[in-house]
Amino acid sequence: AQSVTQLDSQVPVFEEAPVELRCNYSSSVSVYLFWYVQYPNQGLQLLLKYLSGSTLVESINGFEAEINKSQTSFHLRKPSVHISDTAEYFCAVSYTESGGSYIPTFGRGTSLIVHP
Amino acid sequence: KAGVTQTPRYLIKTRGQQVTLSCSPISGHRSVSWYQQTPGQGLQFLFEYFSETQRNKGNFPGRFSGRQFSNSRSEMNVSTLELGDSALYLCASGHGTGSDTQYFGPGTRLTVL
Repeated sequence: AQSVTQLDSQVPVFEEAPVELRCNYSSSVSVYLFWYVQYPNQGLQLLLKYLSGSTLVESINGFEAEINKSQTSFHLRKPSVHISDTAEYFCAVSYTESGGSYIPTFGRGTSLIVHP
Repeated sequence: KAGVTQTPRYLIKTRGQQVTLSCSPISGHRSVSWYQQTPGQGLQFLFEYFSETQRNKGNFPGRFSGRQFSNSRSEMNVSTLELGDSALYLCASGHGTGSDTQYFGPGTRLTVL
């Protein structure tokens, strides 16, 4: 069974500082990896995803994540954060089972708190 | 395209009652998944429906059930409510493959007194 570990439950940072949110996954098969963001009183929305190909994936708002298959990690980074980036971030992993179905697994989330 | 909608947005019930939550997926999506989100347990998978059939199920008691209609709309039912059922219930729709993005609704906040 696959699992996802988000190593930090909360990450405080000052505005314009760089940030890294850590995510490790366990799986012995090919996986798909996702980062979702949840703003207060809203559902989750996709930030970026890795399906195959380049190990580095980027989002439109400056976030990027790089898959490291040897370390089974998929850390999320941003070189300079804004107040508006304050939110809960979820790492998720899924794969296609032989029967054609999938079971997505989410990490427990990391609360990014950006201070002015 | 309209997003995923969930009704009601807020609900207050007492222990022992039952509740039904509704989710309307994005048009064309055949897969609907339900999640329970709490501060202590994070995001936990309840079940997934695909073309009116329950395809995957999480580790929740039988008090939690669901169904999906021919138009892909889904309902989730919780019977004999317990205090611990207080949570944000999120529904997500998609095309139903492992590489697919899940599109989440805003959730239904259930409070059990």
